[in-house]
Parts: sequence; C-alpha cells; structure tokens
Amino acid sequence: AQTVTQSQPEMSVQEAETVTLSCTYDTSESDYYLFWYKQPPSRQMILVIRQEAYKQQNATENRFSVNFQKAAKSFSLKISDSQLGDAAMYFCAYRTNTGTASKLTFGTGTRLQVTL
Amino acid sequence: GAGVSQSPSNKVTEKGKDVELRCDPISGHTALYWYRQSLGQGLEFLIYFQGNSAPDKSGLPSDRFSAERTGGSVSTLTIQRTQQEDSAVYLCASSLVAGFGGYEQYFGPGTRLTVT
Repeated sequence: AQTVTQSQPEMSVQEAETVTLSCTYDTSESDYYLFWYKQPPSRQMILVIRQEAYKQQNATENRFSVNFQKAAKSFSLKISDSQLGDAAMYFCAYRTNTGTASKLTFGTGTRLQVTL
Repeated sequence: GAGVSQSPSNKVTEKGKDVELRCDPISGHTALYWYRQSLGQGLEFLIYFQGNSAPDKSGLPSDRFSAERTGGSVSTLTIQRTQQEDSAVYLCASSLVAGFGGYEQYFGPGTRLTVT
C-alpha cells in the first residue's frame, strides 16, 4: 500500500517570502501522479499543482513549483512571493496510474500561516 | 458550470440515528468519490463510483456505511446507527472518468457530521 507523509504540521511564512512544504511517499510503483491540494477554511479542496512521475521536469504553476525527486520519493512544494490568500491547509496526495485504481492517498497536511 | 455540491453542509445527529449525505457531481463527470476527513487527519478514501458501479469500496470502515449512485449522477452516503467516531467532514469529489490518466478530482465543500 502507498503511504504519504507530511512531517511539518504547521509552517509560517512572511508575506512576499518563499516557503517550502515537504512531502515524502512510499510506493513500489513506477507510474503514478502526485498532487498538492489546498484547503482553505471553506473546506473545499483546490488542486494547486500536479506532477506525473514519468516526467523529469518539475511542474510549475505561477508562484507554485515542485521539487520532485523520484529516487528519493520526495515531492516538495515551493510557494514564492507568498500572499495572505495562500494561508490554508496543504495536502500532498498520491494516485497510482496502474490498473483502474483511482483513489487519492493523502498525507496529514501542513497548515500554512502567512504573516504580514 | 456548477461545481460539486453537497448537502447538508452541516449535520448534527444523535448517536444511533441513521444519516444520509448527498453529493451532486459536476455534470458529465462519470466518476465520483467519497472521502472522510477526521479532525487533524488527512483525507481517507471511502468508496468510488464509475457510473453507477462501485469498483472500489475498500475504504468503507464498517458495514454501517453504504453508498449508492443512481442515474450516473447523484450519490448518497448512508451511515446507519451512527457512532461518535463517525464525526468528521465527508467530502465528495468527481472527475471526468476514473482509471488511467491524471484526471483531476474536483471536490465539493463537504458535509460536517457531528454525532452527539
């Protein structure tokens, strides 16, 4: 079974600064997807960024980028130029691309606080 | 178009009562997922549907939990004889299809269930 670990329960960053959220995962598969989701107080999960395991290039979406280290099974999220609206829970998630399994396996989350 | 909707937004019930939680997926999405988020935990997969079939029910925690989907659209998650440990936020998500590919799962705002 796959597992996802987020070892930072809480992080804090000043507005306009950069912060990196850590995620490691365990799998024996070679074909899979990794995701970062944001959950604001409204509870609605929002996809931030997605990485396909077979792609070596790290995904980027505006101020959000990942550092995907497949051999180390590490998938960190970097948020640049942090904004107050980035304050939320962030979840790392894994999804196999083998067979017909579709479920997401989530880490326990990191609460990000953005200060002035 | 409209996103995933869930009702009710909040539900308080007495221990031992049955509850039904409803999910309306995005129109045209054939795959529908249920997750549970307990306090301080990540999201835990419960069940997913492709059309009206449930290929993976492995996350349902006990036989008190059941789900159905009719007409390839609305889904209902039923919890019978609720227990206090069932208190959680129940999140529903939908995607275009299940299976291969990084099809994004779009989440609803969740139902917060409190069992007293």
